[in-house]
Amino acid sequence: DAGVIQSPRHEVTEMGQEVTLRCKPISGHDYLFWYRQTMMRGLELLIYFNNNVPIDDSGMPEDRFSAKMPNASFSTLKIQPSEPRDSAVYFCASSRTGGEGETQYFGPGTRLLVL
Amino acid sequence: GDSVTQMEGPVTLSEEAFLTINCTYTATGYPSLFWYVQYPGEGLQLLLKATKADDKGSNKGFEATYRKETTSFHLEKGSVQVSDSAVYFCALKGGSYIPTFGRGTSLIVHP
Repeated sequence: DAGVIQSPRHEVTEMGQEVTLRCKPISGHDYLFWYRQTMMRGLELLIYFNNNVPIDDSGMPEDRFSAKMPNASFSTLKIQPSEPRDSAVYFCASSRTGGEGETQYFGPGTRLLVL
Repeated sequence: GDSVTQMEGPVTLSEEAFLTINCTYTATGYPSLFWYVQYPGEGLQLLLKATKADDKGSNKGFEATYRKETTSFHLEKGSVQVSDSAVYFCALKGGSYIPTFGRGTSLIVHP
């Protein structure tokens, strides 16, 4: 398997623009997680899905953030409008219920810079 | 709720030195415990894990033992290399589907 795939790997945008981050989880995994990593706050869980259904979005910082999972092989995280404080590395991770102690597999991340 | 506490970094060592990164946890029941490693510019990847008390996880020369009596899962390596320089995350997964991660400990190994 190719692992968790994220795109784009790098994104530079201007304040106010819409940003869409994409994730393809590992085939057969039923959980998908979106994280944000910054030096100040470390690794934060934003939202997670089970079988394509959002279960907990309490980590989403505000209404500017939204996430969807239209099918088992694709998810998006959208920021609209973007702000400089959204600059961070965004990770997608997936796992399988009961599999391997439920190890999480992380993608390489999207490095977002909002100017 | 569940929580993970790991030592503050950075930890700076010379090549071939002994490494210990402390990790303690709070959880109900019998969680699975993990160490993840993040190399510069990459995502986190599983380094080792243990799913029950007294289990020892090991990989790439790293080891950690699940100690329920002290609620600890300390990471050790007998002889570090420059290529081990990375950020190490201790994590647990209990009954919740949400894993709990520590803040991460940066390791810098000098030649």
